Amino acid sequence: QVQLQESGPGLVKPSGTLSLTCVVSGGSMNTGQWWTWLRQPPGKGLEWIGEVYHSGSTNYNPSLKSRVTISVDESRNQFSLKVTAVTAADTASYFCASLSNGRSRFDNWGPGTLVFVSS
Amino acid sequence: DIQMTQSPPSLSASVGDRITITCRASHIIRHYLNWYHQKPGKAPKLLIYRASSLQSGVPSRFSGSGSETDFTLTISSLQPEDFATYYCQQSFSTPFTFGPGTKVDI
Repeated sequence: QVQLQESGPGLVKPSGTLSLTCVVSGGSMNTGQWWTWLRQPPGKGLEWIGEVYHSGSTNYNPSLKSRVTISVDESRNQFSLKVTAVTAADTASYFCASLSNGRSRFDNWGPGTLVFVSS
Repeated sequence: DIQMTQSPPSLSASVGDRITITCRASHIIRHYLNWYHQKPGKAPKLLIYRASSLQSGVPSRFSGSGSETDFTLTISSLQPEDFATYYCQQSFSTPFTFGPGTKVDI
């Protein structure tokens, strides 16, 4: 079973760019999973941000698509998230997760990282 | 987008109780429905996938049923570690969406 771990700054200034990385350990990234990012504002529900395949193919949530880029570096067993033009509404815990078995379920999750957007 | 609703929003229960949480999708999603629970400060954990399949390592007191638009999660005998927030999630189409959650507490 793979393990995932998010990393990145915990504080980003408004209008800046949020950048996070997820390292995948205990397995290869080219075993059929899609690698995804999700987020959860404090005290609120979960939102799927988007996903990347090991080949580099991506899908994004239309609500965020204009500001989000997800990329993969298979040689380093990691994938990344960038969100541009952030506002306080982007303050959230950000999770990386694997989407497995024909993109049917999020079966492995990182512990999450809390990112504040504030000046 | 497919909207997911859950009921009840919260419930109070005791150890040993049988509880049921319901989830409804705004469109037919066949059996593409997953259940997770989440404890404060932790990541969600997959419990049930494709409506009724038990994820490896999850206790058999958890069960799921339903299809198309209406689904249920049942815990047959609530244990202390089960007090958490429960979310349903559809994987029928993107954007993948979650229900608002059901908080189960004492």
